[in-house]
Amino acid sequence: NAGVTQTPKFQVLKTGQSMTLQCAQDMNHEYMSWYRQDPGMGLRLIHYSVGAGITDQGEVPNGYNVSRSTTEDFPLRLLSAAPSQTSVYFCASSPPGLSADTQYFGPGTRLTVL
Amino acid sequence: AQSVTQLGSHVSVSEGALVLLRCNYSSSVPPYLFWYVQYPNQGLQLLLKYTSAATLVKGINGFEAEFKKSETSFHLTKPSAHMSDAAEYFCAVKEGSNYKLTFGKGTLLTVNP
Repeated sequence: NAGVTQTPKFQVLKTGQSMTLQCAQDMNHEYMSWYRQDPGMGLRLIHYSVGAGITDQGEVPNGYNVSRSTTEDFPLRLLSAAPSQTSVYFCASSPPGLSADTQYFGPGTRLTVL
Repeated sequence: AQSVTQLGSHVSVSEGALVLLRCNYSSSVPPYLFWYVQYPNQGLQLLLKYTSAATLVKGINGFEAEFKKSETSFHLTKPSAHMSDAAEYFCAVKEGSNYKLTFGKGTLLTVNP
């Protein structure tokens, strides 16, 4: 198993550009989520999904869009990039079931918006 | 609503000394608690988790944590620090009926030779 994969690893955008951060997992996990990590802020939840076709907002959803058409993929779209979206983005997944299941994290995408 | 407070954004210890990273949580229901470690330029890796089976939880790399309900704490310890333990450590809480993890702001551990 590859686990959770994210592409690209690094990205530089200009203000106003749009792009999609890709996330895929091959563990048949139902739950997937996107976090952003900023210095001194820990990880903050952007959007999450409890299964194909179901998504919901997290703590900091503004400026981001998601969809979940398959169990494996959970892309994160930046609609019009802003410097405040400069961050490291992590995708995570966990097995089905409402218990203490571990969330598995991808390696991250480091995004800079100029 | 669940929340996590990590006391100390930066902890510095000498190699061989005790490591103690503090975590306090708030939860309206019995929580599940996690410690993750992040090495430079990498993703997060699970160190250990509390699932109500035992209050003292042992994890990887010699780390352990004790769940204390009366103190709403889940502090992470390691008897003897190693240079390879230098990393950022995150405490996280999850309520049983909720998929969402809430993270603390992290504690950067520095190990001095």
